[in-house]
Amino acid sequence: GAGVSQSPSNKVTEKGKDVELRCDPISGHTALYWYRQSLGQGLEFLIYFQGNSAPDKSGLPSDRFSAERTGGSVSTLTIQRTQQEDSAVYLCASSLKGQGADGYTFGSGTRLTVV
Amino acid sequence: AQSVAQPEDQVNVAEGNPLTVKCTYSVSGNPYLFWYVQYPNRGLQFLLKYITGDNLVKGSYGFEAEFNKSQTSFHLKKPSALVSDSALYFCAVRDKGTNAGKSTFGDGTTLTVKP
Repeated sequence: GAGVSQSPSNKVTEKGKDVELRCDPISGHTALYWYRQSLGQGLEFLIYFQGNSAPDKSGLPSDRFSAERTGGSVSTLTIQRTQQEDSAVYLCASSLKGQGADGYTFGSGTRLTVV
Repeated sequence: AQSVAQPEDQVNVAEGNPLTVKCTYSVSGNPYLFWYVQYPNRGLQFLLKYITGDNLVKGSYGFEAEFNKSQTSFHLKKPSALVSDSALYFCAVRDKGTNAGKSTFGDGTTLTVKP
């Protein structure tokens, strides 16, 4: 597509429920990233995909968080048993090659609220 | 390890005056450096990047940034600020040498340009 698409744009969920966040990167971009942005905070790295593999998942905060990417395209970030501290804007970005000087193209984010 | 510091949470400038948003970085090797902007209710957008060569980099919307290796800085500048420049600005770094795919972002600086 023309840009990075994320869905849903907003998600309100009850504490303890599981949620899935979707990212559709720019066609042909091999690298895909997940970050999260909490209110008043900077961008916290979660995971990086090169193709379908994740060479760096060091930012996932706990084993409740997981992500996959299929077909070198769409990625899903899953949060199990959501907690209130998971509330944040989850941002997806893609870049052409990943290892190099490419800038990122970001999606508009998914605002997750855990009540 | 790579890190970025944006020492000012907030920068206020009068329209027509020059602006500077500060960024310092730390990497073990040589850096790729980036600036991104987040306008209210909009996604993060790439502004400019430093790869190598000329220390003064020009980007979108009349912004430029100066790479200073000895001071490990990459300050964002604009000769004449506009009210429409008011936004949240993020500096980011990626270490060339580690072949790392991810960029590390600063905590952001809110720029307010007053008429």
